[in-house]
Amino acid sequence: EDQVTQSPEALRLQEGESSSLNCSYTVSGLRGLFWYRQDPGKGPEFLFTLYSAGEEKEKERLKATLTKKESFLHITAPKPEDSATYLCAVQAHTGGFKTIFGAGTRLFVKA
Amino acid sequence: EPEVTQTPSHQVTQMGQEVILRCVPISNHLYFYWYRQILGQKVEFLVSFYNNEISEKSEIFDDQFSVERPDGSNFTLKIRSTKLEDSAMYFCASSLLGYDTQYFGPGTRLTVL
Repeated sequence: EDQVTQSPEALRLQEGESSSLNCSYTVSGLRGLFWYRQDPGKGPEFLFTLYSAGEEKEKERLKATLTKKESFLHITAPKPEDSATYLCAVQAHTGGFKTIFGAGTRLFVKA
Repeated sequence: EPEVTQTPSHQVTQMGQEVILRCVPISNHLYFYWYRQILGQKVEFLVSFYNNEISEKSEIFDDQFSVERPDGSNFTLKIRSTKLEDSAMYFCASSLLGYDTQYFGPGTRLTVL
């Protein structure tokens, strides 16, 4: 069964303290892996899409990387406004366009 | 910047009533999706829709649920007879190619009393 596991469940950082979030996945042939940011009561906001192992993408303080079994979201020198839940999702080659989400990592950045 | 819109933002209904949640996907997108998120839980896939057909549905998407693209711009989710456990945020999403980025709407909060 296709599965996505994110760790840690919650992460508390001081402003400027860099860290990484992990997304481990088990799918029958990865079609794509997606990172989203979700603020309370809002819809997921797109961050990155990765398709193949070794791929990396960057945007401001965020960098996403992908291997054959997991993805990392690196946050460099975070600011309080980076506080949110970060969601990882995967889509397999089989199963139509079903997209499976992990439970997310809640990030708190303190000034 | 194009965005997905959803109406209403909040819907309150009585158990057993029918509800229709509405979405306007990004105009040139071809693939449409519905997800739900029960408070404090993960985002769950309900259904994907392409070329006026369901391309994939989850175990959650039973006979009580249906989707429709009634015209060139709207995409709807109907729940025929709501249950207490249907209370959740419902998100619509759209993508251009199916395997690429899905853009999400702001959600409809459904409360079943």
